[in-house]
Amino acid sequence: DTAVSQTPKYLVTQMGNDKSIKCEQNLGHDTMYWYKQDSKKFLKIMFSYNNKELIINETVPNRFSPKSPDKAHLNLHINSLELGDSAVYFCASTGTVNTGELFFGEGSRLTVL
Amino acid sequence: QKEVEQNSGPLSVPEGAIASLNCTYSDRGSQSFFWYRQYSGKSPELIMSIYSNGDKEDGRFTAQLNKASQYVSLLIRDSQPSDSATYLCAVSRNTGFQKLVFGTGTRLLVSP
Repeated sequence: DTAVSQTPKYLVTQMGNDKSIKCEQNLGHDTMYWYKQDSKKFLKIMFSYNNKELIINETVPNRFSPKSPDKAHLNLHINSLELGDSAVYFCASTGTVNTGELFFGEGSRLTVL
Repeated sequence: QKEVEQNSGPLSVPEGAIASLNCTYSDRGSQSFFWYRQYSGKSPELIMSIYSNGDKEDGRFTAQLNKASQYVSLLIRDSQPSDSATYLCAVSRNTGFQKLVFGTGTRLLVSP
């Protein structure tokens, strides 16, 4: 029943490793996002896909690579993890352009040691 | 200067009082304004949206927008302990696909 689901919820890993976070939405939405929320609660957009096409790509290190196999799925792969990558990563989706209502997943808390 | 600024708080109010949360934004091209609520350890959820100058009321919540002053506020009447959360202000230019820019949020604490 979960509208936007992310896996894993928690991820603890060492610097230099590569990890992936997966997101799936069953709302029938066309647009999906990755947001990063740091320890100070600042929620910053990273990427957005519309119908599998990348439409927003903020100034994110190229160690971060999103991939959308279909409009219901958006994954995030991170190479060579750094301490500063520790954050909560939220996936979100929206069905109608310009309503501003984002439906967020529960978040994936990444801790890099 | 941050694109969207909020006082981080915490803002402490007693139960039953009015909580007033404020937000300023730097982009004069912003057209859409939102308030999201985020409980500790949870994801943000939309509680109010406002697009034109003035007030918009929804139950105990009132959003106020003043584009000339680049200012958005959220009033919560009859505050309840269950309103204790972080309130995130978000704005969008509405150009093309939705890109919401969030503030860092104001933490609200409502004491019984």
